[in-house]
Amino acid sequence: GENVEQHPSTLSVQEGDSAVIKCTYSDSASNYFPWYKQELGKRPQLIIDIRSNVGEKKDQRIAVTLNKTAKHFSLHITETQPEDSAVYFCAATISNTGNQFYFGTGTSLTVIP
Amino acid sequence: NAGVTQTPKFQVLKTGQSMTLQCAQDMNHNSMYWYRQDPGMGLRLIYYSASEGTTDKGEVPNGYNVSRLNKREFSLRLESAAPSQTSVYFCASSSGTRLGIQYFGAGTRLSVL
Repeated sequence: GENVEQHPSTLSVQEGDSAVIKCTYSDSASNYFPWYKQELGKRPQLIIDIRSNVGEKKDQRIAVTLNKTAKHFSLHITETQPEDSAVYFCAATISNTGNQFYFGTGTSLTVIP
Repeated sequence: NAGVTQTPKFQVLKTGQSMTLQCAQDMNHNSMYWYRQDPGMGLRLIYYSASEGTTDKGEVPNGYNVSRLNKREFSLRLESAAPSQTSVYFCASSSGTRLGIQYFGAGTRLSVL
C-alpha cells in the first residue's frame, strides 16, 4: 500500500518568516494530495489540496507544490502568523475509488511572536 | 448543514466494557472512515467503508468492529475495551468520487480505565 512520510515533525519559526513542510509518497497511482490543519483539541480541517495534473496551487499565504516524478509534495506558508500554530498533516490517496487516505505523521508548527 | 456528526464527545469506560461510537454525515457521501489519533502517531485508519454495504480493515482494526448502517451512518464498536484503546477517535467522510475531499467529525475522546 501507500506510504506517506512527513518532515519535519516539529518546526518553529519567527512571525513573518516562511514555513515549509515536506511529504513523500510511494504509490505512483496516488493522484490527490490534501493538507489538513489541526488546532489543539479540534478536528483536522482541509486547508489546501492539489491533484496530480497540477504542479502548484496557491491560496493567499499558503501554497502547495507537487513533483510527481520525485513523488514528493510540500506545503509553503508565507508571512506566518501566531494563528498558524497548529499540527499540519499531509495525505495521499487515489481519488474517485473510495480508497483509503494515507496520512503523514504530522508537523507541529509553532510561530513565535 | 451539520457535516459529520459524532456522538458521544467524551466517554470513560472500564476495562472490559463495550460501547458503540456513532457517526452520521449529511453530505450524501459514499465513503466513510474511522481513525484513531494518539500523541505523536498521527491519524491511523481503523476501518473504512468505500460505499454503502462494504467495509474494509485499515491499519489498526484489532479490537474494533464497524457497521455501515446505511449511507449516512457508520458506527464503530469496541466489544471489550482495553486501556490501549484510550485515544481520540475521528469519523470522516468523502464523496468517494473524483472530488475526494475528506471531512472530519469533531472527535470522541475515549478513556479506558
